[in-house]
Amino acid sequence: DAKTTQPPSMDCAEGRAANLPCNHSTISGNEYVYWYRQIHSQGPQYIIHGLKNNETNEMASLIITEDRKSSTLILPHATLRDTAVYYCIVRVKGAQKLVFGQGTRLTINP
Amino acid sequence: KAGVTQTPRYLIKTRGQQVTLSCSPISGHRSVSWYQQTPGQGLQFLFEYFSETQRNKGNFPGRFSGRQFSNSRSEMNVSTLELGDSALYLCASSVLAAEVPYEQYFGPGTRLTVT
Repeated sequence: DAKTTQPPSMDCAEGRAANLPCNHSTISGNEYVYWYRQIHSQGPQYIIHGLKNNETNEMASLIITEDRKSSTLILPHATLRDTAVYYCIVRVKGAQKLVFGQGTRLTINP
Repeated sequence: KAGVTQTPRYLIKTRGQQVTLSCSPISGHRSVSWYQQTPGQGLQFLFEYFSETQRNKGNFPGRFSGRQFSNSRSEMNVSTLELGDSALYLCASSVLAAEVPYEQYFGPGTRLTVT
């Protein structure tokens, strides 16, 4: 699985959009980008995934660059409950194993 | 639909003992994976089971083992506990589909403390 690089921490004001970057410069053509988050002491929660097109669901939007070497997770209107560690993971479609990095600790401030 | 459940939620054991943790996947999910989370090493993959067979294994010693039952429920066992085994053990289940990517749903975890 390709390695990902994320900033260790970020802050965002409540109500603003939170933009979390992820670099995955060695991503292969058959690898998907997944995002999970982990709120303190809970199990990780799936957010969104994508291959090469931008994706949006009720939780977030995922923007993948054309060369697929980086992506951005966007939480459009961050709330205090979005404070969590966010993990960007790349993996092959059929692979079960998730390789977690250190993630980005996002703090939403009132 | 009920989520992934793990029992017990908290456990305290002594060095040298053994422990068994249980995971019930989401109904209809046939794949179960286990992860260990520690402050130092983060989230690490232990193993994955599908149809009662271990399909993938992480880089953990043989003291860590697991199994899956015909109803997809899974257990993991750690023998001869060491202090370093203190961790949050997470179970995740997913639908197994060959042609589409699938997400894993995690349970709340079992917090194991070894003294």
